[in-house]
Amino acid sequence: GNSVTQMEGPVTLSEEAFLTINCTYTATGYPSLFWYVQYPGEGLQLLLKATKADDKGSNKGFEATYRKETTSFHLEKGSVQVSDSAVYFCALIDGYQKVTFGTGTKLQVIP
Amino acid sequence: DTAVSQTPKYLVTQMGNDKSIKCEQNLGHDTMYWYKQDSKKFLKIMFSYNNKELIINETVPNRFSPKSPDKAHLNLHINSLELGDSAVYFCASSQDTGGNLGRETQYFGPGTRLLVL
Repeated sequence: GNSVTQMEGPVTLSEEAFLTINCTYTATGYPSLFWYVQYPGEGLQLLLKATKADDKGSNKGFEATYRKETTSFHLEKGSVQVSDSAVYFCALIDGYQKVTFGTGTKLQVIP
Repeated sequence: DTAVSQTPKYLVTQMGNDKSIKCEQNLGHDTMYWYKQDSKKFLKIMFSYNNKELIINETVPNRFSPKSPDKAHLNLHINSLELGDSAVYFCASSQDTGGNLGRETQYFGPGTRLLVL
């Protein structure tokens, strides 16, 4: 079956530090890949997505590139802010509309 | 103009009771979902449902049953509540793409925090 593996958190960074949250996947065919963000006490919001190999999703300074050769979709941001503190979920949807989420990575940014 | 709404936001009840959580989406989507998020933030899909098919995660107890009166609503009914059912339940919706992979973004509701005493 499909699976999504994320690095375990929590990840604690100082403001303006560089962020990488690793995500790798296994799936049949060519899934679409997503990053969702969950702020404290809220539901999940789509952060960015990529639908085919070598696509780069980007939003709010976050980026992730769909790497089929390494089956990865790592999330990066050049300079994090305190307001980026949240839980980040990597997810995929395969050609059968089957959804798989990673376990989430908590990010804490300190001033 | 909330895209996906859930009621109630908080639900506190006793073991053995039967309760329902309601979900409505005004996005015109074809597919709706229920997720359970435990205390460690692990997100687990429980059901996905569209006009054609109900897909049940086989690990979900049959005390949980989704009910869809129409395309815009997918309610979650839980019988004989247990302590372990305490969690946050999220509803979500997406458009049935018919093979167009670029349109399956899921839109989540704000969650229903269920506490079973």
